[in-house]
Amino acid sequence: GAGVSQSPRYKVAKRGQDVALRCDPISGHVSLFWYQQALGQGPEFLTYFQNEAQLDKSGLPSDRFFAERPEGSVSTLKIQRTQQEDSAVYLCASSLASGPQETQYFGPGTRLLVL
Amino acid sequence: AQSVAQPEDQVNVAEGNPLTVKCTYSVSGNPYLFWYVQYPNRGLQFLLKYITGDNLVKGSYGFEAEFNKSQTSFHLKKPSALVSDSALYFCAGGYQKVTFGIGTKLQVIP
Repeated sequence: GAGVSQSPRYKVAKRGQDVALRCDPISGHVSLFWYQQALGQGPEFLTYFQNEAQLDKSGLPSDRFFAERPEGSVSTLKIQRTQQEDSAVYLCASSLASGPQETQYFGPGTRLLVL
Repeated sequence: AQSVAQPEDQVNVAEGNPLTVKCTYSVSGNPYLFWYVQYPNRGLQFLLKYITGDNLVKGSYGFEAEFNKSQTSFHLKKPSALVSDSALYFCAGGYQKVTFGIGTKLQVIP
């Protein structure tokens, strides 16, 4: 079946612009995660949804970052007034059920470059 | 605080030789541990995981990992490396939330 998809794959934004990154999880997956991966680093947790409920947003770096999953499927990560330090790859992952023992399946990521 | 550590930035191994990519963890309780692989411009792909039970876990593409509670380690191993195994490998783990290591670049030399 189809895996996790993300769009766009690449995004160039001017500093101060707003961007929206989309994630389509595997159909039927309850949990959805967003990560930020800086160059040469591992994925850093941003936020977690169980169905439409955002249960953990402790990793969002500032109030410029906002995520939603209104119908418990597709999710959007929005970054307002982008800054150069926001440049990174943003990864989305989904898992069939909730819980840290569940395998997460990752999308290809969106590479964001803020100029 | 829980964490995983990958002490090697890069591992070089000759094709056909056994490979080991190291991971240690610091997690209270019984940890859930994972290995993922990342190829250039691709997302992370799941290789294997340890939840409970047998300490030796077998995964995709001939990889396996051994959970060692006394050494708090979960090293990834493969008996015979292939050039196509060259990639970035991430260990991940946790008890209530999963965190990722910084990754180890594996270079298999023909």
